[in-house]
Amino acid sequence: DAGVTQSPTHLIKTRGQQVTLRCSPKSGHDTVSWYQQALGQGPQFIFQYYEEEERQRGNFPDRFSGHQFPNYSSELNVNALLLGDSALYLCASSPGRGGAFFGQGTRLTVV
Amino acid sequence: EDKVVQSPLSLVVHEGDTVTLNCSYEVTNFRSLLWYKQEKKAPTFLFMLTSSGIEKKSGRLSSILDKKELSSILNITATQTGDSAIYLCAVQMNNNAGNMLTFGGGTRLMVKP
Repeated sequence: DAGVTQSPTHLIKTRGQQVTLRCSPKSGHDTVSWYQQALGQGPQFIFQYYEEEERQRGNFPDRFSGHQFPNYSSELNVNALLLGDSALYLCASSPGRGGAFFGQGTRLTVV
Repeated sequence: EDKVVQSPLSLVVHEGDTVTLNCSYEVTNFRSLLWYKQEKKAPTFLFMLTSSGIEKKSGRLSSILDKKELSSILNITATQTGDSAIYLCAVQMNNNAGNMLTFGGGTRLMVKP
């Protein structure tokens, strides 16, 4: 059983560009959440998708948007990248309200 | 504002030592507390605690929740170098909107041979 998979693993972008990160949830999981983890800090909740809709959102600007597909996979899009967006982006999936299982993350560097 | 605080920030011990990591929280409508181990990238799930006073155990790791004190501890006995990692505590709230996790800043544990 493949766990939560994310792509790409690393990414370097220039300020002002746009980026799309992808996540496939663990088999049997229908809920996908995205987190941003800056260096030396705990993960911060960005948003959560369930039944192809954004169910809950953290304190992130509208530059951060997402999508969930019928197969439960998800994308995170970030527009107009800032240097401060450099972080590890983690995707977590869960079966409804159960405990979350995380993917390996995408390390985004904005230069 | 919901808050999760972990202590200590970092810890250095020698193999064989026992360590206790702390997590305290101030959140509305608490539902559960989760512990994760993060070595390189992916936080790995350790425990999920919902009931006060009931210890969860997995090998050398154990954890217990104290709802009265709004806190939890994670114990690791007979530490090994492979236990070196960041340990994250997260709290899940009980609401109809979803099951987001609010994380603490983590405790960085280094186990020396």
